[in-house]
Amino acid sequence: AQKITQTQPGMFVQEKEAVTLDCTYDTSDPSYGLFWYKQPSSGEMIFLIYQGSYDQQNATEGRYSLNFQKARKSANLVISASQLGDSAMYFCAMREVNTGFQKLVFGTGTRLLVSP
Amino acid sequence: GAVVSQHPSWVICKSGTSVKIECRSLDFQATTMFWYRQFPKQSLMLMATSNEGSKATYEQGVEKDKFLINHASLTLSTLTVTSAHPEDSSFYICSATDREQETQYFGPGTRLLVL
Repeated sequence: AQKITQTQPGMFVQEKEAVTLDCTYDTSDPSYGLFWYKQPSSGEMIFLIYQGSYDQQNATEGRYSLNFQKARKSANLVISASQLGDSAMYFCAMREVNTGFQKLVFGTGTRLLVSP
Repeated sequence: GAVVSQHPSWVICKSGTSVKIECRSLDFQATTMFWYRQFPKQSLMLMATSNEGSKATYEQGVEKDKFLINHASLTLSTLTVTSAHPEDSSFYICSATDREQETQYFGPGTRLLVL
């Protein structure tokens, strides 16, 4: 079964607007972590934001915020005030504590294109 | 943030040769390093996990004799693709975590092309 699901293969947004990238997850482990990474065309994976399963508040990092809805098992990434440099692939990932070695499982990614 | 480097960034080799890729944590001690493979337009696939000073743990379907991983120090892990073939052409990317293991920080990746 798919552990991380990103249903949007591609998203378009105009510069300066906000965009939400969807991510749902599946786990029976009560302790887990959720991550978002950005992968520009150069290939590097850039860590954006982290949400722990026990965190009461939604995580925020600058223009990035994570809309964590535990009951729905969703962890959507919200990018506010989009910039042209935000055009990239975005991957949602989950770390299950019980798997050992803190392995990450990645979704299939969403390609975001920011237009002028 | 933590910095992870990878070398080389690009490698082109002939079929049958072996290729070594290095992954270094530059400003922290990486107790655990991970090696991933990514095909074009696909997600990252975990190949193996290595802890400093111990043998790597390989994911199902990954040939440990073909993809040799060494994690000899807290700042360096190497992946050697032995007797490379064209189907091994891919983007290989490593990541590292420290003792607290909150976040995996990724290297810039290595593009391997086997002719």
